[in-house]
Amino acid sequence: GAGVSQSPSNKVTEKGKDVELRCDPISGHTALYWYRQSLGQGLEFLIYFQGNSAPDKSGLPSDRFSAERTGGSVSTLTIQRTQQEDSAVYLCASSPGGRGPDTQYFGPGTRLTVL
Amino acid sequence: GNSVTQMEGPVTLSEEAFLTINCTYTATGYPSLFWYVQYPGEGLQLLLKATKADDKGSNKGFEATYRKETTSFHLEKGSVQVSDSAVYFCALLKAAGNKLTFGGGTRVLVKP
Repeated sequence: GAGVSQSPSNKVTEKGKDVELRCDPISGHTALYWYRQSLGQGLEFLIYFQGNSAPDKSGLPSDRFSAERTGGSVSTLTIQRTQQEDSAVYLCASSPGGRGPDTQYFGPGTRLTVL
Repeated sequence: GNSVTQMEGPVTLSEEAFLTINCTYTATGYPSLFWYVQYPGEGLQLLLKATKADDKGSNKGFEATYRKETTSFHLEKGSVQVSDSAVYFCALLKAAGNKLTFGGGTRVLVKP
């Protein structure tokens, strides 16, 4: 079946602009995650959605970052007033969300470059 | 807090050589452990996993054993191929947790 998809695959923006990154999880997966992969920081957790529960936002680096998940499926990560240090690959993952340890399946990522 | 430490690369090998990538972790309780692989230009793919002590995960000729006593999950392959050139990430998922904690990644380059 289809895996996790993300769009756009590449995004170049100017400092100070807002950007929106989209994630389509695997159908039927109730859990959705955003991570960031950057040269200096490696792979970092950003935010986690599980069903209708309040999201775990503990990894968001600043209040310029926000995310929503509409209808329990598609998610959008928004970065306001982008800064050069926001340049990274943003990865989305989903998992079935059942009890016990859950394997996360990753999308191809969105490479964000802030000029 | 939780952390994962893996050997820094790059690791350069000849084809058919033996590969070991060390991974150790710090976590409370009994986390699940994963190896993900990122091939050039591609996203992260799950390579193998182990959910409890002494479990062995295996896939594509790779193996890793969950060693609680040494808090390790070293990745091994007996005979690497050029197509194994990639970046390998060790990660943990704490019990009843929801976010993966990753190591820094190890780049492996296999030469013909």
